Amino acid sequence: QVQLLQSGAEVKKPGASVNISCKASGYSFSNYYIYWVRQAPGQGLEWTAIINPNTDSAKYAQRLQGRVSLTRDMSTTTVYLHLSSLRFDDTAVYYCVRGHLPLISFQYYSLDVWGQGTAVTVSS
Amino acid sequence: QSALPQPPSVSGSPGQSVTISCSGTSRDIGNYDYVSWYQHHPGKAPKLMIYGVTKRPSGVPDRFSGSKSGNMASLTISGLQADDEADYYCSSYAGGYSLVFGSGTKVSVL
Repeated sequence: QVQLLQSGAEVKKPGASVNISCKASGYSFSNYYIYWVRQAPGQGLEWTAIINPNTDSAKYAQRLQGRVSLTRDMSTTTVYLHLSSLRFDDTAVYYCVRGHLPLISFQYYSLDVWGQGTAVTVSS
Repeated sequence: QSALPQPPSVSGSPGQSVTISCSGTSRDIGNYDYVSWYQHHPGKAPKLMIYGVTKRPSGVPDRFSGSKSGNMASLTISGLQADDEADYYCSSYAGGYSLVFGSGTKVSVL
C-alpha cells in the first residue's frame, strides 16, 4: 500500500541543523508532489515546503527561506528535509505528505497520504 | 503568510448540521478554486475530506460538502455523527506552489 515512512524523533540545540527523511513506497515516486507540513505544540498545521520528485524542483515557505531545503534520492525513493539555524519555535512535528493527484492530472494542491510525523524538539 | 482564520470551535447534536468558515483573501481563496478541507483526529494522520472547493475523494460520505463565496470558504457537515468529532482545517493554494492552512476548528458532537 501507499506509505510514507519518516525518520525518528530529534532533539537539537538552538543554532543546530536537522535532517528528516521520508521514504515513499507503494506508488510511482516521481509522479506525485511531496509536501512538508509542520505542527507546533498546541498549534495548527503550517505548510513548509513542496518538491516535485520528477524535476527536483522545490519551493519553500517564505518564513523559512534560507534555512530550509529539500532534496530527493530517486534510487531510494526518499525525500530529505534539511532545516538549519534551528530556533525554539521550530519545535514541531514535521510531516511529509503525498499530493492527492498525480502530476499528470490537474493539480488542486490537496494532500493525501501522510507520513507518521517526526517530532523535532529544539531545546537548550 | 498567516493562518486563515477559522472559528475555534463549533458544536452540534447528532443529526444536526454544522458549518465551518475559512476566511481568506484575494491572494488565496479569492483567487483560486483550490480549497481543501482536512479532518484530524488527535494522534492520527489528517484525512482529506474536500478538495477543489467542492469535490469529495472516494470514500468520503456526501454528508460533507464544501463551498466558496468570494474570499470565504465553508465546510458543512450534515447529519452530524459522533465520529465527526475532530479538528478540521481548511487550506488554500496561495500561488507560487505555496499553501496556506486555516487556524483549525474543533467540532464537538453534543
